[in-house]
Amino acid sequence: NAGVTQTPKFQVLKTGQSMTLQCAQDMNHNSMYWYRQDPGMGLRLIYYSASEGTTDKGEVPNGYNVSRLNKREFSLRLESAAPSQTSVYFCASRKRGQGNTGELFFGEGSRLTVL
Amino acid sequence: QQQVKQSPQSLIVQKGGISIINCAYENTAFDYFPWYQQFPGKGPALLIAIRPDVSEKKEGRFTISFNKSAKQFSLHIMDSQPGDSATYFCAASRDSSASKIIFGSGTRLSIRP
Repeated sequence: NAGVTQTPKFQVLKTGQSMTLQCAQDMNHNSMYWYRQDPGMGLRLIYYSASEGTTDKGEVPNGYNVSRLNKREFSLRLESAAPSQTSVYFCASRKRGQGNTGELFFGEGSRLTVL
Repeated sequence: QQQVKQSPQSLIVQKGGISIINCAYENTAFDYFPWYQQFPGKGPALLIAIRPDVSEKKEGRFTISFNKSAKQFSLHIMDSQPGDSATYFCAASRDSSASKIIFGSGTRLSIRP
């Protein structure tokens, strides 16, 4: 199993450009998440989708939009990139309901630089 | 508002020593406390987790100690090895199936050979 797959792994943008980070999981998990990781700030939740068809804001949602395309896929869009969005972005998924252990499964990250 | 405070930011321990990382939380509704381990270039992975109905949980060389009254929990790594060198994150949520998991700021651990 591939687990959680993120694309692209690296991206450089100019201020004002837009882009979409893609995430797909093959574990049949209900919940999916987008985090950003910055030095000294830990992992901060941007948006999450508790189940297919729902999305909710996390701690730092400003400047981002998300789409839960289906149960497998959860994308993160930057409409007008800013230097403050330079970060490493992680997608994660988690099983809900019976058999749930609470464990988050992370992708390997997407490193985004905004010039 | 930082709901989970983690310290220290970085830690250097000699091989064979004990590594200790501390976290404090504010929301008394939290009742699921996992620790994640992250190696460079990789995503975090679950290391060990605890619920407040126990004061300690041990898995191999890794132990979580939990103090509900102080709203604090800590990770102890016994007989620390160079392979334990990584960034460690504590986290908290309302329960294991809750949608939001809040992470601490992370501790970069280096084990000197």
